[in-house]
Amino acid sequence: NFMLTQPHSVSESPGKTVTISCTRSSGSIATNYVQWYQQRPGSSPTTVIYEDHQRPSGVPDRFSGSIDSSSNSASLSISGLKTEDEADYYCQSYDSSNPVVFGGGTKLTVL
Amino acid sequence: QVQLVESGGGVVQPGRSLRLSCAASGFTFSSFAMHWVRQAPGKGLESVAVISYDGSHKHYADSVKGRFTISRDNSKNTLYLQMNSLRAEDTAVYYCARGPGTFRQDYWGQGTLVTVSS
Repeated sequence: NFMLTQPHSVSESPGKTVTISCTRSSGSIATNYVQWYQQRPGSSPTTVIYEDHQRPSGVPDRFSGSIDSSSNSASLSISGLKTEDEADYYCQSYDSSNPVVFGGGTKLTVL
Repeated sequence: QVQLVESGGGVVQPGRSLRLSCAASGFTFSSFAMHWVRQAPGKGLESVAVISYDGSHKHYADSVKGRFTISRDNSKNTLYLQMNSLRAEDTAVYYCARGPGTFRQDYWGQGTLVTVSS
């Protein structure tokens, strides 16, 4: 089984750009799509990025996703930070044996 | 619009059983895989089980294999999770989620809380 490792927390100021990483422990990050979910306090998760870099309708283009094979990691970048972006963010991927694997989550503080 | 409404949560003693339901509306239920994902208090997300659109394929987390059963009734647009031999560590909010495939979720319900305690 592979794992997805995220930083426990990140913080940045409003208007700035923050990047959250998600490193895959085994198997290539490029082989299976990566999704990113946002969970605001007290709410259910919502999808902000799917299939590595696709944005669902309604998600602002301040959110972007990418893959870096050299570090075997995925990244979620949020530009023009707003206080409403303060939330927990989870990456998720899969392989042939494990249809759903989540990262441990990253708490984003916008201060 | 897509709606997923979970029900059936509550307080249950260790070793007992509980069945969760998830009523789906706003989309063609029989065309989508469905997931159960849980979140223990203050913890992250954990996939519990996933079922293919027609129920022919199921996958379970090792932590629940042999105790939990995922099923669906496409005629009733409803997803189920039968939970047996419950343990304290099963205490969590249980979310049902729609899957464009078995490998990801797009829409999530509001969750139902299961508390396993004597």
